[in-house]
Amino acid sequence: AQSVTQPDIHITVSEGASLELRCNYSYGATPYLFWYVQSPGQGLQLLLKYFSGDTLVQGIKGFEAEFKRSQSSFNLRKPSVHWSDAAEYFCAVGDNAGNMLTFGGGTRLMVKP
Amino acid sequence: DAGVTQSPTHLIKTRGQQVTLRCSPKSGHDTVSWYQQALGQGPQFIFQYYEEEERQRGNFPDRFSGHQFPNYSSELNVNALLLGDSALYLCASRGGREGGSEQFFGPGTRLTVL
Repeated sequence: AQSVTQPDIHITVSEGASLELRCNYSYGATPYLFWYVQSPGQGLQLLLKYFSGDTLVQGIKGFEAEFKRSQSSFNLRKPSVHWSDAAEYFCAVGDNAGNMLTFGGGTRLMVKP
Repeated sequence: DAGVTQSPTHLIKTRGQQVTLRCSPKSGHDTVSWYQQALGQGPQFIFQYYEEEERQRGNFPDRFSGHQFPNYSSELNVNALLLGDSALYLCASRGGREGGSEQFFGPGTRLTVL
């Protein structure tokens, strides 16, 4: 069975500082991996995805993530955080066609001015 | 493009009642999935509909059922509501079931069971 672990429930960073959100997954084959962001009262917005190819993927809003098969990780990074990045972030793994998504528990990001 | 829309926005029901939630997919999308997001947790996959049939199902009891209409819109029905069914219900749509296409999520329906 596929699963996702996001070890950090809450993270607080200062505006302008760098950010790394951790994600570890369990999946038998090559995974479809995703990062979504959810603002209060909003649905989920896709930040980026990995299916195959280059293990460093670029997303929207200046985010990037690196797939590391040996560590079963897909960590999300941003070099300089903006106050508007405060939200809940979810890592997800999809089945062989990306249909059934299994989400981690989420990481709540707070940004200090 | 209106994106994925869901109705109603909020709903309050009592234990034992039945509820129907509705979803209209993004224009051009034919595949609809439903997720349950309990407070403080990540979304959990309920099921997916394609060509008016349930194609995949997560670990949810038969009290959860659905339907997809010829215009690709979908309904989620929950019978015999329990307090634990209180959650945000998210609908997602995509174009087809092949790998590589993005799922777009709606804003959700907040269900409260008293």
